[in-house]
Amino acid sequence: DVVLTQTPSILSATIGQSVSISCRSSQSLLDSDGNTYLYWFLQRPGQSPQRLIYLVSNLGSGVPNRFSGSGSGTDFTLKISGVEAEDLGVYYCMQATHAPTFGGGTKLELK
Amino acid sequence: VQLVESGGGLVQPGKSLKLSCSASGFTFSSYGMHWIRQAPGKGLDWVAYISSSSGTVYADAVKGRFTISRDNAKNTLYLQLNSLKSEDTAIYYCARGGGLFDYWGQGVMVTVSS
Repeated sequence: DVVLTQTPSILSATIGQSVSISCRSSQSLLDSDGNTYLYWFLQRPGQSPQRLIYLVSNLGSGVPNRFSGSGSGTDFTLKISGVEAEDLGVYYCMQATHAPTFGGGTKLELK
Repeated sequence: VQLVESGGGLVQPGKSLKLSCSASGFTFSSYGMHWIRQAPGKGLDWVAYISSSSGTVYADAVKGRFTISRDNAKNTLYLQLNSLKSEDTAIYYCARGGGLFDYWGQGVMVTVSS
């Protein structure tokens, strides 16, 4: 199985601060079709996960543009440019190039 | 687009349960679908996938015990859970596939306990 390692596990931020979350894969996520199936999700307390980013860097429909994704191969990053209160929750990276696996999660909390 | 899971509940170890996911707002038959679960207080864990042509893939932890299926006429996805174990206790979500993972249901709770 592909292991996704997310860091940090807990992220404390103030409103307006820019933050980044890292997701490192145990194998390359570049598929033979040329796509890299790496996603980012936010799960707010008591809610289902919400897709933020797909195929590494594509913003999901209705997702604010303060969210951005980057990376390639085995190293990926989610950046939030100016945290807002509604961004608090747990962030997960996920890969679907191989049998889908999720990172362990990063909890974003207010400092 | 809406996905609504049902069929969860409390079940004894070794018993069976069948979950349903009713889909609306899109052409269900054109999309692969996933089941993903989340144990209480834990992270997300992919369970199974069924393609639009009904090909299936399973996580090792459930292979041979769980069966994913679909009824395109009813716009419904299913997950048959057999030989349940305590470690199968989780919220089970269905999610739209096709490389999208853009829509998820609200989840249904399955508790395996004697």
